[in-house]
Amino acid sequence: GAGVSQTPSNKVTEKGKYVELRCDPISGHTALYWYRQSLGQGPEFLIYFQGTGAADDSGLPNDRFFAVRPEGSVSTLKIQRTERGDSAVYLCASSLSSDNEQFFGPGTRLTVL
Amino acid sequence: TQLLEQSPQFLSIQEGENLTVYCNSSSVFSSLQWYRQEPGEGPVLLVTVVTGGEVKKLKRLTFQFGDARKDSSLHITAAQPGDTGLYLCADRFQGAQKLVFGQGTRLTINP
Repeated sequence: GAGVSQTPSNKVTEKGKYVELRCDPISGHTALYWYRQSLGQGPEFLIYFQGTGAADDSGLPNDRFFAVRPEGSVSTLKIQRTERGDSAVYLCASSLSSDNEQFFGPGTRLTVL
Repeated sequence: TQLLEQSPQFLSIQEGENLTVYCNSSSVFSSLQWYRQEPGEGPVLLVTVVTGGEVKKLKRLTFQFGDARKDSSLHITAAQPGDTGLYLCADRFQGAQKLVFGQGTRLTINP
């Protein structure tokens, strides 16, 4: 079957704008994760969903960042009032359940001008 | 907070050479994982090690876990250009669901 897909693959926006990044997990995977990878760094955890609920959002840097997963499948990461420091690759991963291997999508490269 | 330190940060060698990269943790690993990431893609899991002193082999890759479970190494024998990529170590800190990653070793194998 298909792997984790993320759209768009690239997003360029201006400082202060609002953006939404979408993640389609592997079908049947109940756990979904968002990570952020800055240039030259490893991924940093943002938020983890088990089903529809956010089980751990301790990695969200501030209240400009918000994520939803209303039906327990597709998830959207929302960033308000974007800042240049938000520029990074945003990775989504899913796993069959929370203890299983995480499968990563190709990421969305966000550039804030 | 757990910190994972990888070394070297960059490594460029010729095809056919051997190499070793390292991952050290500020605290005992819960469940150490090694990933490879290629440009424009997400990380792909190579191996998971749990037991101190454990050695796992994956073709030309040998993964070693320190006895104290605070360090790990990845050895590649007879490197090939297809081994080029970013090698990341990660841990489920304190058994949590989220992964904590090191900053990675960027490996380039020159033909």
